[in-house]
Amino acid sequence: QVHLVESGGGVVQPGRSLRLSCSASGFTFNRYAMHWVRQAPGQGLEWVAFISSDGRLTYYADSVKGRFSISRDNSKNTLFLRMNSLRAEDTSMFYCAREVELWPHYYFDYWGQGTLVTVSS
Amino acid sequence: DIQLTQSPSFLSASVGDRVTITCRASQDINYYLAWHQQKPGEAPKLLIFATSTLQSGVPSRFSGSRSGTEFTLTISSLQPEDFATYYCQQLHSYPRTFGQGTKVEIK
Repeated sequence: QVHLVESGGGVVQPGRSLRLSCSASGFTFNRYAMHWVRQAPGQGLEWVAFISSDGRLTYYADSVKGRFSISRDNSKNTLFLRMNSLRAEDTSMFYCAREVELWPHYYFDYWGQGTLVTVSS
Repeated sequence: DIQLTQSPSFLSASVGDRVTITCRASQDINYYLAWHQQKPGEAPKLLIFATSTLQSGVPSRFSGSRSGTEFTLTISSLQPEDFATYYCQQLHSYPRTFGQGTKVEIK
């Protein structure tokens, strides 16, 4: 069955960098677009970034554009999120999610359990 | 960017109640709307996509509908396991925005 497992979270000082990983199994990873979604403590869901199945196309939320970079290694079934210039307001649980692109339908059908990033001095 | 406004933000209901949550989009998103359920300490779970299509394994007491830019999630008879927070999400364009959430609590 489909499994998405995030890792790489932790406590980091403001201005520093962190790289999150999402290890995928149970499906053909290179056939699916992937996303990162975050959730600040006690808050709602905020979409962060998208990458196409082949890695050629990416989109970002305005709040992270220029600081975060999404990438993937299809040979290793792994999704990444490189986060630079971290701010206190980036403190969140970060989830990776799989998107089904079965025209005309689009939806996030599987989510990982999340990895917590805390930005604090 | 497309904004999604959910109402109410919070509702208190009893087991067996019929519950309705509304999500209004700031512009036409056709039927590209999904609903997710999230329980405390857990990842979100997809309930409905394309406005009204139930994800595999989701109980039939959940249903979705649309009238223009207003979308509705209905739980026909609330069960104890349904107490959670519900989010709508648009998949019409980027950014893939979410509504602010509706928390359903036990009365």
